Amino acid sequence: SQQGEEDPQALSIQEGENATMNCSYKTSINNLQWYRQNSGRGLVHLILIRSNEREKHSGRLRVTLDTSKKSSSLLITASRAADTASYFCATGGYGNNRLAFGKGNQVVVIP
Amino acid sequence: SAVISQKPSRDICQRGTSLTIQCQVDSQVTMMFWYRQQPGQSLTLIATANQGSEATYESGFVIDKFPISRPNLTFSTLTVSNMSPEDSSIYLCSVATGGSSYNEQFFGPGTRLTVL
Repeated sequence: SQQGEEDPQALSIQEGENATMNCSYKTSINNLQWYRQNSGRGLVHLILIRSNEREKHSGRLRVTLDTSKKSSSLLITASRAADTASYFCATGGYGNNRLAFGKGNQVVVIP
Repeated sequence: SAVISQKPSRDICQRGTSLTIQCQVDSQVTMMFWYRQQPGQSLTLIATANQGSEATYESGFVIDKFPISRPNLTFSTLTVSNMSPEDSSIYLCSVATGGSSYNEQFFGPGTRLTVL
């Protein structure tokens, strides 16, 4: 299965700033999904971007996908304290719905 | 999106015992999955729970250790058998919705297991 891997980052930013995190993978993918996890709880689905899409927006979230570089980025604009969480990317392959998760990025937004 | 619940939400168990985790979805779904998240780690897929047939396990996971049931399209169980402290993890079920190949996958709240 594909392996998503975020750049090993622990971001600490001030409220109102933007947060950017990256994800790279090794094989071809069908889609890439981003998730948020608060304090070891369940994962919240943020956004899915298809392999034939280059950019997608959802509220304050902007996701890009570069299949030539096998990488994706998640941008959170105007961050809030409630955005403090771990963020994971997960890649989905063709013909199945099995996801391969990256290591995750810890984001801390300071009020 | 689907609403997914898990029971129990957390448990502390003794070495050598078994725990069965339940996953309930509020709508019929074709694809259900079980993941493990070890402390401070990312998620690893354990198996795909297939309705009416045996689960499909990923490399490194076996049916004797993690038996799975999927009696219908809204419910599944995962049993962690003969537990050891290394099994201490968060166990999450997920479902893939929709009829296309670009299915979003949604997760339950997880079961936090501690093995002493």
